[in-house]
Amino acid sequence: KQEVTQIPAALSVPEGENLVLNCSFTDSAIYNLQWFRQDPGKGLTSLLLIQSSQREQTSGRLNASLDKSSGRSTLYIAASQPGDSATYLCAANTNAGKSTFGDGTTLTVKP
Amino acid sequence: NAGVTQTPKFQVLKTGQSMTLQCAQDMNHEYMSWYRQDPGMGLRLIHYSVGAGITDQGEVPNGYNVSRSTTEDFPLRLLSAAPSQTSVYFCASRPNSGSEAFFGQGTRLTVV
Repeated sequence: KQEVTQIPAALSVPEGENLVLNCSFTDSAIYNLQWFRQDPGKGLTSLLLIQSSQREQTSGRLNASLDKSSGRSTLYIAASQPGDSATYLCAANTNAGKSTFGDGTTLTVKP
Repeated sequence: NAGVTQTPKFQVLKTGQSMTLQCAQDMNHEYMSWYRQDPGMGLRLIHYSVGAGITDQGEVPNGYNVSRSTTEDFPLRLLSAAPSQTSVYFCASRPNSGSEAFFGQGTRLTVV
């Protein structure tokens, strides 16, 4: 059974800092991995999707990496802003479309 | 651009009542899923579907039924609501297993 862990559970940084969020998974036979953002009381917004054959994906200030062999993915946020404050979730997906989510990292960026 | 639409947004049920949570997508996506989100337990998969007429159980299917008669709709039925089903429910869709998932805004359900 796939298990996904996100560390740390919460993170507080001053504005402008670069930061890394971690996601680890126990079963390396994933099809792809997706990072989401969730604002309080809202649904999930997709940030980045990395296929199992890829090493990284970039979108603006966000960069996600994937190392299947070690069961790890990281989300790098450059030059953080208060608007980046949210909960960040990763999901490991099988080729049958089943997703296993981590519990998330709650990020607070202080002005 | 409706995307994934869930109704209702909020619902209060009495123990033992039944109801259906609606989920509709207008993107012609084959894959659809239902999750529940509880504090400290993340999102857990209830049921999922890889196309019209095909459904399968996820991690926590007990107490819930689904059907997929059309590509657009994937309703979730609570047969006899219990307080343990108090949660926020999310529906998601994706074109295929290699594509990103899109989520609805959620239904906050309270069972008293």
